[in-house]
Amino acid sequence: DQQVKQNSPSLSVQEGRISILNCDYTNSMFDYFLWYKKYPAEGPTFLISISSIKDKNEDGRFTVFLNKSAKHLSLHIVPSQPGDSAVYFCAASEIGNEKLTFGTGTRLTIIP
Amino acid sequence: ETGVTQSPTHLIKTRGQQVTLRCSSQSGHNTVSWYQQALGQGPQFIFQYYREEENGRGNFPPRFSGLQFPNYSSELNVNALELDDSALYLCASSLVRGDEQFFGPGTRLTVL
Repeated sequence: DQQVKQNSPSLSVQEGRISILNCDYTNSMFDYFLWYKKYPAEGPTFLISISSIKDKNEDGRFTVFLNKSAKHLSLHIVPSQPGDSAVYFCAASEIGNEKLTFGTGTRLTIIP
Repeated sequence: ETGVTQSPTHLIKTRGQQVTLRCSSQSGHNTVSWYQQALGQGPQFIFQYYREEENGRGNFPPRFSGLQFPNYSSELNVNALELDDSALYLCASSLVRGDEQFFGPGTRLTVL
């Protein structure tokens, strides 16, 4: 049972444009959501997070939006840069539970 | 500050054998989590150790076991290896329970 879903395995975006990565979840007990970025031969690197009490969190070029009623979150990257090319994982956790549940990832390619 | 390190980088074993993977957590981090990432999937939570005690376990059989040492480094042991155990094994540490997790580069295990 895939509780966190990333339905787009890959996405290509022109440099300078907006990249939008999407994530859906089914477990209504999830209350904390994170995005990780992964380069080949490296472990995932934390990018940005959002708690269920918020609907938006910004950090520089990265913004995460949470729609609790739709059980949907998205990561916006503006403007996209070549160094953003990587696999992006959405992850979620329940309050008081250390376990992170990950999606299957979206490979983002920024075209120069 | 040294990040999370894992050894070995790659490992090849045959079915039925046993394997031990090692992880050194980031300095000062007392919580270590282990994840299995199969090809094309997101990381799946195996278990977490906090101050040398198991603190949560995912849906993995008992042949997956672990240890955390007083210096907070950790081992993942897998007995009676199966072909499906072939995956990237990721270790993540955090400063305190529930805090952001920092991942190591992983150990790629191939079971023949």
